[in-house]
Amino acid sequence: NAGVTQTPKFRILKIGQSMTLQCTQDMNHNYMYWYRQDPGMGLKLIYYSVGAGITDKGEVPNGYNVSRSTTEDFPLRLELAAPSQTSVYFCASRGRDRAISLSTDTQYFGPGTRLTVL
Amino acid sequence: TQLLEQSPQFLSIQEGENLTVYCNSSSVFSSLQWYRQEPGEGPVLLVTVVTGGEVKKLKRLTFQFGDARKDSSLHITAAQPGDTGLYLCAAIYNFNKFYFGSGTKLNVKP
Repeated sequence: NAGVTQTPKFRILKIGQSMTLQCTQDMNHNYMYWYRQDPGMGLKLIYYSVGAGITDKGEVPNGYNVSRSTTEDFPLRLELAAPSQTSVYFCASRGRDRAISLSTDTQYFGPGTRLTVL
Repeated sequence: TQLLEQSPQFLSIQEGENLTVYCNSSSVFSSLQWYRQEPGEGPVLLVTVVTGGEVKKLKRLTFQFGDARKDSSLHITAAQPGDTGLYLCAAIYNFNKFYFGSGTKLNVKP
């Protein structure tokens, strides 16, 4: 199991450019999440999905779009990049803990995409 | 405004010392999680606490959920350099959403 994979690892964009951050999980989890983490801060929820075809906004959705056409993939789209979107982006999927049985779910995070907008 | 307030923001201690990190909110949550994040990586779940007053131990780490399910603490006994990292609490809201605190950055010096 690869878990949660994200591409690219690093990207520099110019203001106004667009890009898609890719996220794939191979654990057959229904729930997937996109977060951003600014330097020295916690994570803020951008969008989440409870299953294929269903997405909803989190705390900070402005400037982003998502789609969920399959269980495995949850891409995040930036249409008009702005300097305020410079951040590290983490994708996560949520399911039962792989090692032990828990009554609540575990989030499994990808390694992150470091995005700089200049 | 932050839904979850973590304190302290930074902590630098010597190996062998004890420490406590706090996570507070004015809201009641069904459950709360603690994560550790190392530089350049995603957070990794340490524990989930569900019941008010619950105490869970993970080797030298002790986690407590407040009786009113509004606050939690993480206590580390005899800290080691391997404990260095960013500690994050996260509350599960409306079953689907997670809110994270701003984190406590811990540095344990050998």
